[in-house]
Amino acid sequence: QVQLVESGGGVVQPGGSLRLSCAASAFPFTKYDMHMHWVRQAPGKGLEWLAFIRYDGGDIHYADSVKGRFTISWDNSKNTLYLQVNSLRADDTAVYYCAKDERGSLWFWGQGTLVTVSS
Amino acid sequence: DVVMTQSPVSLPVTLGQPASISCRSSQSLVHSNGDTYLNWFQQRPGQSPRRLIYKVSNRDSGVPDRFTGSGSGTDFTLKISRVEAEDVGVYYCMQGTHWGWTFGQGTKVEIK
Repeated sequence: QVQLVESGGGVVQPGGSLRLSCAASAFPFTKYDMHMHWVRQAPGKGLEWLAFIRYDGGDIHYADSVKGRFTISWDNSKNTLYLQVNSLRADDTAVYYCAKDERGSLWFWGQGTLVTVSS
Repeated sequence: DVVMTQSPVSLPVTLGQPASISCRSSQSLVHSNGDTYLNWFQQRPGQSPRRLIYKVSNRDSGVPDRFTGSGSGTDFTLKISRVEAEDVGVYYCMQGTHWGWTFGQGTKVEIK
C-alpha cells in the first residue's frame, strides 16, 4: 500500500528557506521503482510541476520557474524525498505535493504541505 | 515550455448527461519512444489530485469506465459518459513528454 506523507511546510519570510520532506511507504514497489516528483498548487490556482528525480538521483529535471532556487533529493536509506526551497518569494506560496511516478506520469500523490511566504 | 490549453474552463452538467473536456498542446506530445504522455487528473474539492488516465487512453485502476480519454498529437479529449455527483471537481490535463512538464489550466465540472 503506497503512502506519501509530506511535512516541513510553514510560514517563512521572503528570501527565506525551507526543506520539505516526503516520507514514502510504497509496498510492493522496490527502491528501483521510486522515481518521484514535486508539484505545487497556489491557493485557488492550478497545478504546477516542479521537479523530478530518478530513484538513484542519476536523472533530475526542474521547471524553469524554480531552477537554481529549488533542489530535489532522495534518501534511499530513509525512503524520504526532499525539496530544498531557497530565496522564497510571495508567489511560492502554495501547497506542495510529492507524487510517485508510474508509467511516466504522476500516479500517486501525497496530501500536501502548505508553504506560506509572508513578512 | 509546452503550453496546454483546456476548454471549457467551467462545465455545468446535468446529472446523468455526458461531458467532454478538450485539451490542446502547443506542440506534438509524441515522444521519441513512440508513446504519448498525455494524462488526465481529477481534483475533488479539498482533496489531492488523482490520476484518471495515462498515455492518452489508459484508465487507472479503480477509475469508472464512464471516463474515457482519446486523441493524438496535439489534440486530446476526456469524456464522461454519464456525469455522477462524485464527478464534481476540477480536471487537469498534463503532458509528460517534454521536460518542463505542464498542466492545462483546469476545467471545473459542476452540477447544474
